[in-house]
Amino acid sequence: TQLLEQSPQFLSIQEGENLTVYCNSSSVFSSLQWYRQEPGEGPVLLVTVVTGGEVKKLKRLTFQFGDARKDSSLHITAAQPGDTGLYLCAGFRLRTGTASKLTFGTGTRLQVTL
Amino acid sequence: DVKVTQSSRYLVKRTGEKVFLECVQDMDHENMFWYRQDPGLGLRLIYFSYDVKMKEKGDIPEGYSVSREKKERFSLILESASTNQTSMYLCASSLSGQGWRFHGYTFGSGTRLTVV
Repeated sequence: TQLLEQSPQFLSIQEGENLTVYCNSSSVFSSLQWYRQEPGEGPVLLVTVVTGGEVKKLKRLTFQFGDARKDSSLHITAAQPGDTGLYLCAGFRLRTGTASKLTFGTGTRLQVTL
Repeated sequence: DVKVTQSSRYLVKRTGEKVFLECVQDMDHENMFWYRQDPGLGLRLIYFSYDVKMKEKGDIPEGYSVSREKKERFSLILESASTNQTSMYLCASSLSGQGWRFHGYTFGSGTRLTVV
């Protein structure tokens, strides 16, 4: 069962355009992370959001955690070719008696062309 | 520079072979994880370990086993490789407690395994 659905699955845009990637779930998460993965590499953490409604900005990237902590979005302003990659959301649910582990979304592959 | 190192970038194995994927981290992290990554399915957790000799099944453990004899090393074993295990395998490590929430998981570069 895939707990985190991302949309769109693929996105091809031109440099300078804006875009939004969505991460949705029917489950509540205590926190959510976004990672970016470039070809031939492992995912790298971009941000962690913890509080419902929280908004974090990382240069041209804006991350929002839904009020109910079931969904999140990533908005990129004025995309650049360096933004190209696979974007993954990952949610963490508190459990007792086990180590912390993330559930990853299905991924959004972004290509930004000149 | 801290890192997670996976022993091979590419592997080609035959059906029925026993396959070992090795992962080493130099960050003294307590937790280590093995994921497989397939298009459209994201990352799926195979096994994880929160301490030496401790392991827990993830979401898709069937056909796999793991070994963690030392804190820095976590091995994934395919007892008898099958074609449906062709995939990208990613190893990751993290701090325990609340530390991981700020530092996240640190991933290796992956091993692309093809079973023929």
